[in-house]
Amino acid sequence: DVKVTQSSRYLVKRTGEKVFLECVQDMDHENMFWYRQDPGLGLRLIYFSYDVKMKEKGDIPEGYSVSREKKERFSLILESASTNQTSMYLCASSWDRGRETQYFGPGTRLLVL
Amino acid sequence: GQNIDQPTEMTATEGAIVQINCTYQTSGFNGLFWYQQHAGEAPTFLSYNVLDGLEEKGRFSSFLSRSKGYSYLLLKELQMKDSASYLCAASNTDKLIFGTGTRLQVFP
Repeated sequence: DVKVTQSSRYLVKRTGEKVFLECVQDMDHENMFWYRQDPGLGLRLIYFSYDVKMKEKGDIPEGYSVSREKKERFSLILESASTNQTSMYLCASSWDRGRETQYFGPGTRLLVL
Repeated sequence: GQNIDQPTEMTATEGAIVQINCTYQTSGFNGLFWYQQHAGEAPTFLSYNVLDGLEEKGRFSSFLSRSKGYSYLLLKELQMKDSASYLCAASNTDKLIFGTGTRLQVFP
C-alpha cells in the first residue's frame, strides 16, 4: 500500500511566523506535489517536484517555497505566514506526473491567526 | 486556457443512480481522473479514463468523450457511505487540473 504521510494534521500559527509542512512518501515516487484546498475553489497546485532538488511552480506559488533534498521528502515552507494562507494543505505523490494517479496524504489544516 | 466545470452540489436517495458531469478544457490532455473525498479526509482514486467510452468498476462507472471535452461518473445503487465530494481532474503532461468538486448527499 502506498503511504503518504504529513507531519501534522492540525497546526495553528501566528502571522509572520515561518511555517514548515513536511510530507514523506514510501513508494519511491519521482513526483511530489503540494496543493491547498479551499471551499468553492477546489484543489489548487502550489508547487511540484519531479526529482530531487528540482521544483516547478504550480498555479499559486506566491508566498510559498519548497524543498526536496531527498526523494521521499517534500517540504512546503511559508516564509512569513499570513491569514490568507489559512487552508487545508494536501501533499501527493505519483510515478508519472500526468498519466498515473496521485496518492494523497491526510492533509494539514493550517490556521494562521 | 485550462478550465474544469462540475456541479457544486447534488442530492440523491439511497438505492438510486446518480450521474456527476464534468466538462474540461486543457492543453496537452492525457486523460480524466475521478477522485472521492469524504469530509476531512484525503482524496482517493476512483477511475482514470484515457480512451473514449465507458469503464465500469463495480457500482461506479466513468465515461469520457475526448472530442466533446466531457466526462461523467455514474454511481449505481447508492449507499449512505457514498455521501462525499467527487473531484474531476484532467491530466496533461505535467500535472492534474482539478475541478472544484461535486458534493453529493445521499438521503435514506
